[in-house]
Amino acid sequence: EVQLVESGGGLVQPGGSLRLSCVASGFAFGDYRMDWVRQAPGKGLEWLSYINNGGDSIHYADSVKGRFTISRDNAKNSLYLQMNSLRDEDTAVYYCARDDYDTTAPFDYWGQGTPVTVSS
Amino acid sequence: QAGLTQPPSVSKGLRQTATLTCTGNSNNVGFQGAVWLQQHQGHPPKLLSYRNNNRPSRISERFSASTSGNTASLTISGLQPEDEADYYCSAWDSGLSAYVFGAGTKVTVL
Repeated sequence: EVQLVESGGGLVQPGGSLRLSCVASGFAFGDYRMDWVRQAPGKGLEWLSYINNGGDSIHYADSVKGRFTISRDNAKNSLYLQMNSLRDEDTAVYYCARDDYDTTAPFDYWGQGTPVTVSS
Repeated sequence: QAGLTQPPSVSKGLRQTATLTCTGNSNNVGFQGAVWLQQHQGHPPKLLSYRNNNRPSRISERFSASTSGNTASLTISGLQPEDEADYYCSAWDSGLSAYVFGAGTKVTVL
């Protein structure tokens, strides 16, 4: 069974940093692209970043470019999102999602999400 | 980044058919089509459809998708109470090198 489990969310002050983690199981993690997607309270889904299976192709949404960094450790079946210079508008639930774009579809499996609140 | 356009809400009666639309451009929906996601309140999204009416095995045949030009559509036939949810479309935008989402359509089953 494919499972994605996010962690690392919490309350942080504006300008602060957080590192989110997503641990994968039930599939060959190193064979898949991965994405981070967030959802602000009462709002829709917003794609943040993508990383290919080898970690050498990365893309970001303009809203987080230069502040967020995606990375992965295939040996640990883990995906990360380093978030710096956090703003009030970064408050959201952050999801990791598996991306099988080349074969089937992006976003075919999602974690339960980890909430991030940016507030003083 | 510009998103895809979805109507904010659709309301239909029990066992009726609802059709949701998602309009983009030649760089995204018109490029390789859209995926559709369903999200119930308080839960993560779930993939419904990809690459023009391909469905994961766990998804009911009542959900069908299609694309015409720059507009993708999701049809939900025989609406059931459990179909009340938010529905999102998404596509890779080759011009932006980014995924774009629609703002979502809230489906209400009357």
